Amino acid sequence: DAKTTQPPSMDCAEGRAANLPCNHSTISGNEYVYWYRQIHSQGPQYIIHGLKNNETNEMASLIITEDRKSSTLILPHATLRDTAVYYCIVALYNQGGKLIFGQGTELSVKP
Amino acid sequence: GAVVSQHPSWVICKSGTSVKIECRSLDFQATTMFWYRQFPKQSLMLMATSNEGSKATYEQGVEKDKFLINHASLTLSTLTVTSAHPEDSSFYICSSLGGFGYNSPLHFGNGTRLTVT
Repeated sequence: DAKTTQPPSMDCAEGRAANLPCNHSTISGNEYVYWYRQIHSQGPQYIIHGLKNNETNEMASLIITEDRKSSTLILPHATLRDTAVYYCIVALYNQGGKLIFGQGTELSVKP
Repeated sequence: GAVVSQHPSWVICKSGTSVKIECRSLDFQATTMFWYRQFPKQSLMLMATSNEGSKATYEQGVEKDKFLINHASLTLSTLTVTSAHPEDSSFYICSSLGGFGYNSPLHFGNGTRLTVT
């Protein structure tokens, strides 16, 4: 079973920041938080991952709370092309890529 | 660019026939690949772990004789849906590490939509 909880859907205005929350209250000390997204009828796309420090790359920022029980993915300036299902996944870094997907959050970016 | 290539992108077959789906890692060697299945409006479900040179590891509830996995080389894993039935119609997706061991994210193919008539 997935070890994360996400809201089923969210809306965001184009050009605004999209903040997607994820709860992972049972995360263990050596588990990472990964974020992927899936645009309709395509394979999932990697966004970002982290252990306990906040992370930022060209796509997004990942904010992990100090107790690591929750995190937030931030898309700083959402565009219509960011409309997708976003998955927050908790997994061991050395699991060789074995990821268990939950239901994700369907983000709709509106003009 | 894509690091995992999946073929075909869609296939329609008749009930009782078998269908082979290929997953190739581009520009890197993948000792481990993963196969997922996704039904409409649902999330991805891990089916099996494909290991180069050895037998695949199947998740609970996935029939290994129904979904044959072969990983004969470091760049190719195949999934064969044998004696396909309409309930096997689904979106099948493969994935692999990005080629630098554990210090890289998982990359996914663009999926194969299987329709069994």
